[in-house]
Amino acid sequence: GAVVSQHPSRVICKSGTSVKIECRSLDFQATTMFWYRQFPKQSLMLMATSNEGSKATYEQGVEKDKFLINHASLTLSTLTVTSAHPEDSSFYICSASGGGGEYNEQFFGPGTRLTVL
Amino acid sequence: AQKITQTQPGMFVQEKEAVTLDCTYDTSDPSYGLFWYKQPSSGEMIFLIYQGSYDQQNATEGRYSLNFQKARKSANLVISASQLGDSAMYFCAMRARGQNFVFGPGTRLSVLP
Repeated sequence: GAVVSQHPSRVICKSGTSVKIECRSLDFQATTMFWYRQFPKQSLMLMATSNEGSKATYEQGVEKDKFLINHASLTLSTLTVTSAHPEDSSFYICSASGGGGEYNEQFFGPGTRLTVL
Repeated sequence: AQKITQTQPGMFVQEKEAVTLDCTYDTSDPSYGLFWYKQPSSGEMIFLIYQGSYDQQNATEGRYSLNFQKARKSANLVISASQLGDSAMYFCAMRARGQNFVFGPGTRLSVLP
């Protein structure tokens, strides 16, 4: 299957700082990328959907000014957690879809574990 | 609205035995895809198997098979000959045409030696 990378895999930051997470599709062009958040022992919660070159679509309850998403190219999307607080500590996972196939299988990155002190 | 239900929060299976993980779904869309993902403790989501709503045969991928019963809206995952490395969280997911993925709450599988 296609490969999606995420960087960093783990980040610890102080409260009030901003953290950027990168998601890259390594061997295919991702027309759509998705950002998920996962709390311990829970399922994935979709935060936003981004299409290359356009603004992200955020799910209800997700603050777009706090979670900035940029999908500048067909292989890169970034999620910036601005002014992070301890409650933002979570596992963030991106996925990418190449636009092929009827149901557009998603390929997931390995995730980023964010800890805000 | 789309919804995925996984009623088994945790399952145990003996090594080399088969195990079935339950998944039921709800959608009014006649066109949809069903997916199973494995999430080990490392956190990565590993795609296992896919079934389209119009597929006539149940999907199989190696030791994984999907028991698709459309009328009952169920898409159970069957893992044959369980291995210790199969211990992980398993998520059932659905995507209707033009819609986002919806994930179930997951089932934690523990394979016993």
